[in-house]
Amino acid sequence: DQQVKQNSPSLSVQEGRISILNCDYTNSMFDYFLWYKKYPAEGPTFLISISSIKDKNEDGRFTVFLNKSAKHLSLHIVPSQPGDSAVYFCAAAPLNNDMRFGAGTRLTVKP
Amino acid sequence: DADVTQTPRNRITKTGKRIMLECSQTKGHDRMYWYRQDPGLGLRLIYYSFDVKDINKGEISDGYSVSRQAQAKFSLSLESAIPNQTALYFCATSDPGPRAYNEQFFGPGTRLTVL
Repeated sequence: DQQVKQNSPSLSVQEGRISILNCDYTNSMFDYFLWYKKYPAEGPTFLISISSIKDKNEDGRFTVFLNKSAKHLSLHIVPSQPGDSAVYFCAAAPLNNDMRFGAGTRLTVKP
Repeated sequence: DADVTQTPRNRITKTGKRIMLECSQTKGHDRMYWYRQDPGLGLRLIYYSFDVKDINKGEISDGYSVSRQAQAKFSLSLESAIPNQTALYFCATSDPGPRAYNEQFFGPGTRLTVL
């Protein structure tokens, strides 16, 4: 039973445009949401996070939006760059407990 | 030098063999985790440890065991490997810190194939 779902296995965008990666969750006990980025042959690296008490968090080109009523979050990358090409994992956790990850979305940014 | 290291990086073994995957960290974090990644399923938590005397089962602990030998070392064992344990395994660490939840730092992964 996947509690965190990323329904798009892949996404392709043009360099300079916006990339929007989506994530849905089912567990209303999740308190914290994170996005991780993974390059081939490397472990995932933390990108950005958001607490359930907020609806937006921004860090440079990356913004995460949280819609608690819809149990949905999204990651916006503006402008997208070829170096952003990677697999992006959405993760969620209840307070001080183990994280649950989505299946990942492979983003390809074309020059 | 990498902060979280995993050995071996690749391993091919046969059904029924005992396998140990090792993880070491120099970040000084108390919390350590073992995950496996399968295509289409993302990362799933196997076991986690919040300090040397603490071991907790994760989402998919059956068929696995762990040992927290020191703050810096956390090993994962497959007592009798089976083919559906073929996967990419990641170790991670985190520091409880002042915030309610903190990001985890991952090792480079171990690719395990069970024939």
